[in-house]
Parts: sequence; structure tokens; C-alpha cells
Amino acid sequence: GAVVSQHPSWVICKSGTSVKIECRSLDFQATTMFWYRQFPKQSLMLMATSNEGSKATYEQGVEKDKFLINHASLTLSTLTVTSAHPEDSSFYICSAIPGLARNNEQFFGPGTRLTVL
Amino acid sequence: AQTVTQSQPEMSVQEAETVTLSCTYDTSESDYYLFWYKQPPSRQMILVIRQEAYKQQNATENRFSVNFQKAAKSFSLKISDSQLGDAAMYFCAYRSPDITFGTGTRLTIIP
Repeated sequence: GAVVSQHPSWVICKSGTSVKIECRSLDFQATTMFWYRQFPKQSLMLMATSNEGSKATYEQGVEKDKFLINHASLTLSTLTVTSAHPEDSSFYICSAIPGLARNNEQFFGPGTRLTVL
Repeated sequence: AQTVTQSQPEMSVQEAETVTLSCTYDTSESDYYLFWYKQPPSRQMILVIRQEAYKQQNATENRFSVNFQKAAKSFSLKISDSQLGDAAMYFCAYRSPDITFGTGTRLTIIP
């Protein structure tokens, strides 16, 4: 199947700093990518939908100025956690859909564990 | 908004036995897709099986099969001949077109 990578796989940062997480589709072009957040022992919560060449669509309750998403190309989307605080510590997962068809399978990245001290 | 409910937070099964994980969903749409994802300790989400709502035939993938009851909005996953590698969190998901995940069922395999 198609491969989605995330970098870094884990990151530790100090409170107040910004952290960028990259999501890449390695062998396909992804018009749409998704960013999820997962707390321990909980399900995935959709944060935002990232569309190439346009602004991301954020879910209710997700601060767009806090979680900056840039989908600059058909193979790369980035999530920047700005002025990170300990409560932002979580597991962040991206996914990508090849093409535009609704029945296309969604491929997930391996996730990024963010720890804010 | 669509909701996906997994009423079993935890399940366990003896190795080589069969287990069924439950999932119900709520929607007013007629065209959608349903999925079961597996999340092992590595936390990589892995697609187990998917079902198109317009198909009456239940999907099967080797030891994994579903019981899709569209009228009842039920989508259960049956794992036959359970193996130790099946131990994971299992998430039911609904997609039309955005995906909504259930709360998950943690499956333990007893050797």
C-alpha cells in the first residue's frame, strides 16, 4: 500500500517554543491530508483538513493560530504547534488520501509524539 | 454530525478462538464507507477491512469479516482463529467524506 511518513517521530521542546511536524506522501500525490490528535488510551480526534494550495479547514474548538497547517505541495503538509505548552503534549497523526475519490483509502503516518516541558 | 459507538472498551479472546467486536453508527446518509482500523502498540494505524454501504455483501479479508446491517446501522468485526499479533486497539470508522472514529476496543489475546 501507499506510504505516508512523518518527521520527527518524537520531539521534546520547552514551553513557549514552536514545533513543526512534517507529513509526506512518499509514492502518491495527496490533494487532501488530515491531521489528528490522540491522547493516551483515546481515539483519534480530527484537528483539521489540509487541502493543497488552499487554507486548511479546522474542526470546532481547534485554534487555527495555535496549530498552523501548510499544504504547500501534493506530497507535503506541515503542522506547526506555536508557543507550545504542556497541554499540547500529545500524539499527532497525519493521513493522506490519494486523488479525489471518496472511496480512496486513507493512509496514515506513523505519528509524532510531542512532549512539551 | 455522524457518531460512531463502540460499546466494548476491552475484549479478550483465547488464542485460536473467534471474537466479535461491535460497532454502531448514526447517519442520515445513504452513501458512505465503513472501516475497521487496527492500532498496535507501535501506534501505526492499519486498515483491517472496509465496507461500502451500497454493497449488501459483507466484506471479508482472510480471518477478518464483517457483519454489516445497514438498516440497524451496525458494523461488527469478526476475527477468526485469533493470533497473538491481533492484540491491538481496534477502531471502527465511518466516512462520508470526512472520517469519524469510534472510541476503540482494546483486544487482548490470551495464549
